[in-house]
Amino acid sequence: AAGVIQSPRHLIKEKRETATLKCYPIPRHDTVYWYQQGPGQDPQFLISFYEKMQSDKGSIPDRFSAQQFSDYHSELNMSSLELGDSALYFCASSSYRDEQFFGPGTRLTVL
Amino acid sequence: DAKTTQPTSMDCAEGRAANLPCNHSTISGNEYVYWYRQIHSQGPQYIIHGLKNNETNEMASLIITEDRKSSTLILPHATLRDTAVYYCIVRASIQGAQKLVFGQGTRLTINP
Repeated sequence: AAGVIQSPRHLIKEKRETATLKCYPIPRHDTVYWYQQGPGQDPQFLISFYEKMQSDKGSIPDRFSAQQFSDYHSELNMSSLELGDSALYFCASSSYRDEQFFGPGTRLTVL
Repeated sequence: DAKTTQPTSMDCAEGRAANLPCNHSTISGNEYVYWYRQIHSQGPQYIIHGLKNNETNEMASLIITEDRKSSTLILPHATLRDTAVYYCIVRASIQGAQKLVFGQGTRLTINP
């Protein structure tokens, strides 16, 4: 069965650079969620989109923005990267039945 | 969303049943109990959810007490691949874009 696809899987950036993470949800899923997991921490919710509209917002820094496109894929844009942004970034998708299915994650390292 | 309390860690022998408890004493009537697990650095994986009745699927069983203040996730025949952090999450509603709030979780280690 098709799963959530995230790209890239690994990303290395310098401080103050910009990064874009992409998420392709499971077909026919209309909701996308982004989570951040720092080293040794539990996943923390960042933001979600339902039918291309932002539906909820968590502890997402102002330096980050995200959107969901007409084909339901989503992108998380991160600017002015800081060392503390180094983390695993997970995307999850769901349909009306609401179990969230997670992608494999993007490991971002900021040097 | 209601707060949950889980043991920090548990051990279980391979082939035995693993019983993971969760307390959610402040759960309200419209809140469901969800279980997810995360195998090292992989994306969290949905296991099961329930409202008030016991539930079973191919992965696990969920036993919810009558007062709904606690629940137990049961992995009937644990294997080494079940070693993971298990999260008990309580959240309202079953439809709509509802975020998951991950707490501490239980680090389950299956021993050979």
